[in-house]
Amino acid sequence: EVQLVESGGGLVQPGGSLRLSCAASGFTFSDYWMHWVRQAPGMGLVWVSRINTDGYNTDYAASARGRFTISRDNAKNTLYLQMNSLRAEDTGVYYCVRGIEVSGTPPPFDLWGQGTLVTVSS
Amino acid sequence: EIVLTQSPGTQSLSPGERATLSCRASQSVTSNYLAWYQQKPGQAPRLLMYVASTRATGIPDRFSGSWSGTDFTLTISRLEPEDFAVYYCQQYGTLPYTFGQGTKVEIK
Repeated sequence: EVQLVESGGGLVQPGGSLRLSCAASGFTFSDYWMHWVRQAPGMGLVWVSRINTDGYNTDYAASARGRFTISRDNAKNTLYLQMNSLRAEDTGVYYCVRGIEVSGTPPPFDLWGQGTLVTVSS
Repeated sequence: EIVLTQSPGTQSLSPGERATLSCRASQSVTSNYLAWYQQKPGQAPRLLMYVASTRATGIPDRFSGSWSGTDFTLTISRLEPEDFAVYYCQQYGTLPYTFGQGTKVEIK
């Protein structure tokens, strides 16, 4: 089955750290760019970060730059998001999302995980 | 950053009616890299349309997308009960990728 399964969310104090993981299965993970997207409770979607197929090209939203690090292990079919210096406004469900494939098809953002909840609170 | 403004915020309609959702971009969207998503409570978003007017795999043909300049539209020709949800547009042509604030289609 083609799927993405996130884990690693939880309650963390402001200033703390958390590492999210996303396990991919059912497709050739190393052929796809990958993204993280956040959704605060009752709010809309916010793009957080992306990584290319070999992990050497990364981009971040301004709110994440300098605090978050996206990475991947293609041997383990796993995507990561290391989050440091967490703030209350980082609270939300974090979705792992499949991006564009090296051939250009299928379209990006066609596969989403179920999300993992991160709560930053004292 | 490209700002996407969706309207209306909420649309109250009956099953069988036509829904027209708008998404206006603050500047040109590169290569019309504009997507639409449907999200139901407690679920992840589902890709409906990409490059403004191409239906994703498995999306019924009652969903259609169009555009004129920086104005993008998602049309649902005849609402089915399962179509009542929140819809988001997204541009993925220019970093940072951005989403609209969403339009809720609710049962009247």
